[in-house]
Parts: sequence; structure tokens; C-alpha cells
Amino acid sequence: GENVEQHPSTLSVQEGDSAVIKCTYSDSASNYFPWYKQELGKGPQLIIDIRSNVGEKKDQRIAVTLNKTAKHFSLHITETQPEDSAVYFCAASPHSGGGADGLTFGKGTHLIIQP
Amino acid sequence: NAGVMQNPRHLVRRRGQEARLRCSPVKGHSHVYWYRQLPEEGLKFMVYLQKENIIDESGMPKERFSAEFPKEGPSILRIQQVVRGDSAAYFCASSPQGQTPYTFGSGTRLTVV
Repeated sequence: GENVEQHPSTLSVQEGDSAVIKCTYSDSASNYFPWYKQELGKGPQLIIDIRSNVGEKKDQRIAVTLNKTAKHFSLHITETQPEDSAVYFCAASPHSGGGADGLTFGKGTHLIIQP
Repeated sequence: NAGVMQNPRHLVRRRGQEARLRCSPVKGHSHVYWYRQLPEEGLKFMVYLQKENIIDESGMPKERFSAEFPKEGPSILRIQQVVRGDSAAYFCASSPQGQTPYTFGSGTRLTVV
């Protein structure tokens, strides 16, 4: 089955700086890669996703890059703000159209934005 | 659009009791997924259901755990004879027709004492 590794487990950056979180996956059949933000006591919220036919996707301060050859993908947050502090999870699925197997998640990165 | 509703938010059970967790998907979504999250861990897939059908239960423990998604009403995750190791946050997600992206609920935090 799929295995997703996520690094770092904790990331502390100064407000205004950029943050980068990296994930690798093992199953070459995976073709859907979402990123979720989870605040304390809440459920995961989708912040951005990318499918295998695209190498990069951007939404305002958030971007995701995908390297299918190397089987890794990264989340980039620019101009970080205090409200970006949360736990971020990457995930992978072999079914960009949904369906069986669900998502395989990384273990999460606790992002701390220092004022 | 109320989103995915899970209840209860917190559930405390003594060892040996039963736990029932409920999930009402986003209106119009016919596919439901259950995930378990242990402290400091990512979410682990448990089961994928459509109305009246279990599509994939490869992540479900073989004993004591069951799930259903009836034609009417919420999806139910049932844990019989709970043990301390069942203490975790249980999240439900839904999607239309099994298409991504999934929408997650706020979870049920189960504590077994």
C-alpha cells in the first residue's frame, strides 16, 4: 500500500517569512495530492490540492509543487501570518476521481509562526 | 450548506461499553469515509461507504468495529467492547459520487476510561 512521509514534524518561522513542508510517497499509482490544515480541536480543512497532470499550483500565498519522477511534493506558504499556525497534513491517493482506498496521510507538521 | 456534521463531539466510555459515532454528510453527498487519528499522528483510513454499501473496509480492525450508511439517516461507526487503545479522534469525510476533494467533519473525540 501507499506510504507517505512528511518533514519536518515541527517548523518555526518568523512572521512574514516563507515556510516549506515536504512529503514523499511510495506508490507510483498515486495521482491526487491534497494538503490539509488542522487547527486545535477541529477537523482537517483542505487548503490546496494538485493532480498528477500538473507540476505546480498556486492560490494566493499558498503553492504546491509535485515531482512525480522523484515521488515528492511540497507545500509553500509565503508571507506567513499568525493565523497560519496549525498542523498541516499532506496526503496521497491513487484515485483522483475518488473511490476506494481513501487518502493516505503523512504524520503532520506543526507550523509555528513567531511574531 | 451545513457541511459534515459529527456527533457527539466528545464521548467518554468505560472499558467494555459500546461507542456509537454518527456522521451526517454534506447534503447531496452519497459517499462517506471514516478516519482515525491518534495523538500526534496523521489520519488513518478505516472504511469507505456508499448508501447501503461498504465499498472498502481494509482499514477497519477485524473485530469489534463496524460501520454502516443506511438509506436514511447518518452513517454510524460502532465500536463494541471498547478498550483504552480505542481512545482517539474519529473523523468522517464525505464527497459527491466519490469524487475528490473530500470534506471533513470536526470529529468525535473518544476517551475510554
